[in-house]
Amino acid sequence: NAGVTQTPKFQVLKTGQSMTLQCAQDMNHEYMSWYRQDPGMGLRLIHYSVGAGITDQGEVPNGYNVSRSTTEDFPLRLLSAAPSQTSVYFCASSYSAGNGYTFGSGTRLTVV
Amino acid sequence: AQSVTQPDIHITVSEGASLELRCNYSYGATPYLFWYVQSPGQGLQLLLKYFSGDTLVQGIKGFEAEFKRSQSSFNLRKPSVHWSDAAEYFCAVMLTGANNLFFGTGTRLTVIP
Repeated sequence: NAGVTQTPKFQVLKTGQSMTLQCAQDMNHEYMSWYRQDPGMGLRLIHYSVGAGITDQGEVPNGYNVSRSTTEDFPLRLLSAAPSQTSVYFCASSYSAGNGYTFGSGTRLTVV
Repeated sequence: AQSVTQPDIHITVSEGASLELRCNYSYGATPYLFWYVQSPGQGLQLLLKYFSGDTLVQGIKGFEAEFKRSQSSFNLRKPSVHWSDAAEYFCAVMLTGANNLFFGTGTRLTVIP
């Protein structure tokens, strides 16, 4: 059971480049979320989904897009990378809202 | 404003000593409450959660937490810390009827031999 898988683990982008962070879970979880973690700020919610075809914005959605075409996958797209998007990104999934989320191991992104 | 506060940025304890990490929340109603642990370079692992009922909750790795409604607190405790407990600990809340976690800023735990 792989749980929540994030790829890549590390990425360096130049300002203005676009890329997609991949997230896949094999637990048939309906709820999936993307967070970014910055020093001294904890984790902040970027986007979330409550099921295939349904997404919504979190606390810090600007500069990011998501889609959820299948239950398993929830990719996060950076449209035009900026240095302010340098962060560690975590994907998480849950069977139900109050069940507690399972986190992936993260993607460390640096934008230069 | 709604918030989750972890007042201690960094705590150092000796191996074998007891531990208490503080968490306070500010919401209109009692939310669901969680504690997560993050080892260096790793994702977050759920230690325990509180929804309702018994206010003392047992979790994994020998941790427990006590919900105190009057103090809007959900402090994490361990009677005897092991060197492997060195990590960062995050308190998180989920509003009832919502789907997402809101995190505190974390407390980094250092364990000295």
